[in-house]
Amino acid sequence: QKEVEQDPGPLSVPEGAIVSLNCTYSNSAFQYFMWYRQYSRKGPELLMYTYSSGNKEDGRFTAQVDKSSKYISLFIRDSQPSDSATYLCAMSNRFSGGYNKLIFGAGTRLAVHP
Amino acid sequence: NAGVTQTPKFQVLKTGQSMTLQCAQDMNHEYMSWYRQDPGMGLRLIHYSVGAGITDQGEVPNGYNVSRSTTEDFPLRLLSAAPSQTSVYFCASSRGGPDNYGYTFGSGTRLTVV
Repeated sequence: QKEVEQDPGPLSVPEGAIVSLNCTYSNSAFQYFMWYRQYSRKGPELLMYTYSSGNKEDGRFTAQVDKSSKYISLFIRDSQPSDSATYLCAMSNRFSGGYNKLIFGAGTRLAVHP
Repeated sequence: NAGVTQTPKFQVLKTGQSMTLQCAQDMNHEYMSWYRQDPGMGLRLIHYSVGAGITDQGEVPNGYNVSRSTTEDFPLRLLSAAPSQTSVYFCASSRGGPDNYGYTFGSGTRLTVV
């Protein structure tokens, strides 16, 4: 079983829809949670960063962490065609000793059509 | 502001050939890493460095070597290419650790081994 599971999609939604992207994980020691966005044939770019549980909002994007369920979500409001990309979740255990490696999900492909 | 620069962008190798993937960053980041990205597998850590002169193995290091003689450069060497090394390779850097500040990724090198 992978440490981080992410539905690969693709997820296709109309412009203006609310999008929900999710990851589950098995390591209860994870404390740092991130979402990266990756456009086609580009490198990933950091979108959202959350420490421990709770919500974080940045414009149209909201990241949620539920440590009790080992579940994280990224919500995109008023989705735009420019949001079409692959979204990767990533997480790490700060106190794992040494270098704190990020464990990535496989990514969910999102297509927002006009 | 170049960020993380990877060369070449594309490469085709024959089985058994060796080559070096170049990575350079101009942000004075301490942490640098190499990942490979395969369909359905997400990003997997090959090697990483926490500073000049210091390198260590990641999740999938076999068949690859790295060195870090300067803060800016972190080349990845394929010793004897195999078809299983066909992948997209990303170099990434971070200021104070990827769990604190996230990664800045390069645009990737698409490698095909025939």
